Amino acid sequence: KQEVTQIPAALSVPEGENLVLNCSFTDSAIYNLQWFRQDPGKGLTSLLLIQSSQREQTSGRLNASLDKSSGRSTLYIAASQPGDSATYLCAVLNRDDKIIFGKGTRLHILP
Amino acid sequence: NAGVMQNPRHLVRRRGQEARLRCSPMKGHSHVYWYRQLPEEGLKFMVYLQKENIIDESGMPKERFSAEFPKEGPSILRIQQVVRGDSAAYFCASSVQGPLYGYTFGSGTRLTVV
Repeated sequence: KQEVTQIPAALSVPEGENLVLNCSFTDSAIYNLQWFRQDPGKGLTSLLLIQSSQREQTSGRLNASLDKSSGRSTLYIAASQPGDSATYLCAVLNRDDKIIFGKGTRLHILP
Repeated sequence: NAGVMQNPRHLVRRRGQEARLRCSPMKGHSHVYWYRQLPEEGLKFMVYLQKENIIDESGMPKERFSAEFPKEGPSILRIQQVVRGDSAAYFCASSVQGPLYGYTFGSGTRLTVV
């Protein structure tokens, strides 16, 4: 059974710092991995989608990497801003077409 | 393209009433997924539907919950005889041809059972 774990559960960093969010999954037989952002009381916004054959994806200040064999992904945020404060969710697409989410990392950027 | 539309955004029901949650997928999307998010919990898969077919309902509670995606109109998640434990955010996502190339989420319906 696929399990997705995100560490840390919560993180506070000063504005301007670079930071890394971690996601690990137990079953490496996945189709893809996706990072989402969720603001309080809101829906999910897709940030980056990495197919199983890819190693990383980049969008602006965000970079996501995928090491399928070790069951790990990282989301790197450069030059953090207060507007980056949100919960970041990692989700994997299993071979049975089921999307499994982690519980997320609550990020707070201190002005 | 209005994206995935869910309504209502907030729904309050008394215990024992029925809750009907609607999801209109993005234009051209024929695959719909429902997820539930309990407070301080991750999103949990409930059901995966394609037009007029339930593909996977392994995450649906056995009783009181049902889902449909008719040929015309939105997908409906129906909860009968709601209980306090049903209070949660319910999210819908849609995709063109299964989730392989990504999926788009709606803003969710927040159900409160009083």
